[in-house]
Amino acid sequence: DIQMTQTPSSLSASIGDRVTITCRASQTITRFLNWYQHKPGKPPRLVIYAASSLQSEVPSRFSGSGSGTNFTLTITGLQPEDFATYFCQQSQSNPHFTFGGGTKLEIK
Amino acid sequence: EVQLVESGGGLVQPGGSLRLSCVASGFTFRSYWMHWVRQEPGKGMVWVSRISGDGTTTTYADSVKGRFTSSRDDAKNTLFLQMDNLRAEDTAVYYCARAIGLVAGVTAHWVFDSWGQGTLVSVSS
Repeated sequence: DIQMTQTPSSLSASIGDRVTITCRASQTITRFLNWYQHKPGKPPRLVIYAASSLQSEVPSRFSGSGSGTNFTLTITGLQPEDFATYFCQQSQSNPHFTFGGGTKLEIK
Repeated sequence: EVQLVESGGGLVQPGGSLRLSCVASGFTFRSYWMHWVRQEPGKGMVWVSRISGDGTTTTYADSVKGRFTSSRDDAKNTLFLQMDNLRAEDTAVYYCARAIGLVAGVTAHWVFDSWGQGTLVSVSS
């Protein structure tokens, strides 16, 4: 299985900050990388797909980049509703998808 | 509005069985591959299984193969996960998710565009 390593596991930031979360794959996954936002008690929400494509209705302050084995999710200008857990998912090895361990983004 | 609602979780002893359900609404259920994904306490998501829209194709993670069975009733817009011979390591929140292919450039990328809120399965004596 393709292993996904996500860093950091937790992150404290303030409203208006720019934050970056990293996901590394154990082998190349070209651009088959998705990012999700997950709030407690709510269903996960797709934010970015294909490494850098913004899902419909997701604010433009979210962006993704990377290819091969290294990927980043960036939120520019944090808003109160952005505090959540974010996780990456590779879809290269369909259907044996694997996920990163998650990053909990908290208010400083 | 697309909605997925899981139920059926609970406390079960090792070796026991549970059947999870996921009721779908807001879309043509039979047209979509559906998946189960689980999250163990304090850990990341783990893919469990998938089933095709017509129910003829199923695939499972090695960790559950031979013990879990995914099925669907398209007349009732419901996805099922029959879990037998449960182990302590099956303890997790179980999510159902809809899979779609989103095109970026010339390539389709499988994503989970809709998820349920999850149902907790605890396996303990």
